[in-house]
Amino acid sequence: GQQVMQIPQYQHVQEGEDFTTYCNSSTTLSNIQWYKQRPGGHPVFLIQLVKSGEVKKQKRLTFQFGEAKKNSSLHITATQTTDVGTYFCHNTDKLIFGTGTRLQVFP
Amino acid sequence: DAGVTQSPTHLIKTRGQQVTLRCSPISGHKSVSWYQQVLGQGPQFIFQYYEKEERGRGNFPDRFSARQFPNYSSELNVNALLLGDSALYLCASSLVPGGEKLFFGSGTQLSVL
Repeated sequence: GQQVMQIPQYQHVQEGEDFTTYCNSSTTLSNIQWYKQRPGGHPVFLIQLVKSGEVKKQKRLTFQFGEAKKNSSLHITATQTTDVGTYFCHNTDKLIFGTGTRLQVFP
Repeated sequence: DAGVTQSPTHLIKTRGQQVTLRCSPISGHKSVSWYQQVLGQGPQFIFQYYEKEERGRGNFPDRFSARQFPNYSSELNVNALLLGDSALYLCASSLVPGGEKLFFGSGTQLSVL
């Protein structure tokens, strides 16, 4: 069946280091969304990407949508402890969330 | 404005029982979706409702059912509970279905003993 895989599954970094999570779909996507879920919390919408090759930035976060619209990435520059959480991509066509990448940041 | 509200926040049931979870969407939102999230995994899509009609259904058994009311609130029912139904049940609302950003409630933590 349809899957949305994310790598890595888990990453811990030192505060100030960069972090990247990759999202790969088995099918072409109309658009893709990214959510962040803090420990013990619920998913919170970060951004939506629609166009092939699109790049969007939110402060230290950079989101990319692949040219073939089958993959996406989220890059965080100079991580902070407030970035801790699990990051999910979301296939809005099939309402499928990715497997998630759990980020731990050590001060 | 209030966000998405879910009740109850926590629930403990035993195997074979039935449970009803409730969700009130953000005012003006007409679409409600339900997700099951097992610890350490991503949310799994269960149902989507829009204007009181079911718009989508995930790969869940018939023990799971839902409905949406005229005020756009929604209920998720699970019959004949199994241990494996223990999870966080999340409700999300959006203006309309299909590519709109989702606003999630804090969820109902269901434990089946």
